[in-house]
Amino acid sequence: AQTVTQSQPEMSVQEAETVTLSCTYDTSENNYYLFWYKQPPSRQMILVIRQEAYKQQNATENRFSVNFQKAAKSFSLKISDSQLGDTAMYFCASSGGSSNTGKLIFGQGTTLQVKP
Amino acid sequence: NAGVTQTPKFQVLKTGQSMTLQCAQDMNHEYMSWYRQDPGMGLRLIHYSVGAGITDQGEVPNGYNVSRSTTEDFPLRLLSAAPSQTSVYFCASSYSGSRVNTLHFGNGTRLTVT
Repeated sequence: AQTVTQSQPEMSVQEAETVTLSCTYDTSENNYYLFWYKQPPSRQMILVIRQEAYKQQNATENRFSVNFQKAAKSFSLKISDSQLGDTAMYFCASSGGSSNTGKLIFGQGTTLQVKP
Repeated sequence: NAGVTQTPKFQVLKTGQSMTLQCAQDMNHEYMSWYRQDPGMGLRLIHYSVGAGITDQGEVPNGYNVSRSTTEDFPLRLLSAAPSQTSVYFCASSYSGSRVNTLHFGNGTRLTVT
């Protein structure tokens, strides 16, 4: 069974600094996707970044980047120049491969607080 | 373009009552799914559908029913509510093909069962 583990329930960072959120996963699929979703207090689920497992290059989206270590099954999220609006819960998620049908496996979440 | 619309946003039920959480999408997505979010457990898949007339169970299906009579709608039914079903419920949809795993979420329904 696929699993996703986020071992940091809570983290904090000073505004303008850099923070890294950790995620490990386990899957038997060869082709899969990894995601980071952001959930601010509004409860909305917002896609932050998406990584396709067959691509070795790490995905980046503005201030957000990932460190994808396929052999180690690790998928961490780095937030640079943290802003107050980054305060949210962050979920790591993985998908299936050839059998994927839009089903994601989510981690437990990491609550990030950005301090002024 | 409304995206994924969930109603209601909040609901309080008494144990044993039934209700339906509504979900509609206007993006012509083939795939739709329901998740529940509980503290410390992330989001867990309840039921999903790969197209009209086709549904299947996810990780935590007990106590919930779904049907998919149209591409747009995917309601979630609680037949006899229990306190263990107190949670935040999210509906999601996605395209088929290479973007199938990029989910579009509704804004969630907070359900409390007393």
